[in-house]
Amino acid sequence: AQKVTQAQTEISVVEKEDVTLDCVYETRDTTYYLFWYKQPPSGELVFLIRRNSFDEQNEISGRYSWNFQKSTSSFNFTITASQVVDSAVYFCALSRVASGGSYIPTFGRGTSLIVHP
Amino acid sequence: DVKVTQSSRYLVKRTGEKVFLECVQDMDHENMFWYRQDPGLGLRLIYFSYDVKMKEKGDIPEGYSVSREKKERFSLILESASTNQTSMYLCASSLGGQLNQPQHFGDGTRLSIL
Repeated sequence: AQKVTQAQTEISVVEKEDVTLDCVYETRDTTYYLFWYKQPPSGELVFLIRRNSFDEQNEISGRYSWNFQKSTSSFNFTITASQVVDSAVYFCALSRVASGGSYIPTFGRGTSLIVHP
Repeated sequence: DVKVTQSSRYLVKRTGEKVFLECVQDMDHENMFWYRQDPGLGLRLIYFSYDVKMKEKGDIPEGYSVSREKKERFSLILESASTNQTSMYLCASSLGGQLNQPQHFGDGTRLSIL
């Protein structure tokens, strides 16, 4: 069975602090994808990044960076110099095979990030 | 840009009513999904569909049914609404047959059952 654990339910930081959101996953598949989504207060989940199981290179996009470590089954997300606009719920997800040859994600429970001015 | 549109942002219904939540996507995606989101529980999959007229149960299908008569439209039906179905409902779509495809979400429908 596949599982995604986001142990941090809520994180509160002050603007300009760095913050890391943890994601730990379990799967028996050798080929899989991991995703991060952001859900701002307006409600719509927005896709941020995906990583495949064979690519352990870290990725940086502006203030965002992602650290994928297969050895620890983790895919952590770091926001550098956080801003109030980063306040949102962040979800980590793992793809899994479903009926009809389709692929659907298993989501973690999400981490609520609150950035105070 | 992918657009997933849910018919209502807020909806209030009464216990026992039959409730329809509609979702339309404009990117010719094969896969469509219905989730409910509750505090502390994250996203839970109710049903998904990987083709027209095809549907599969997700993790919490009890009390719900779905309909997909056209590729772009996926409806969630609460046969007899109950107060424990008060929740935020999210629709999503994705390209089919590929492991790496992200989901695209609608704005959500906040449903209250009185």
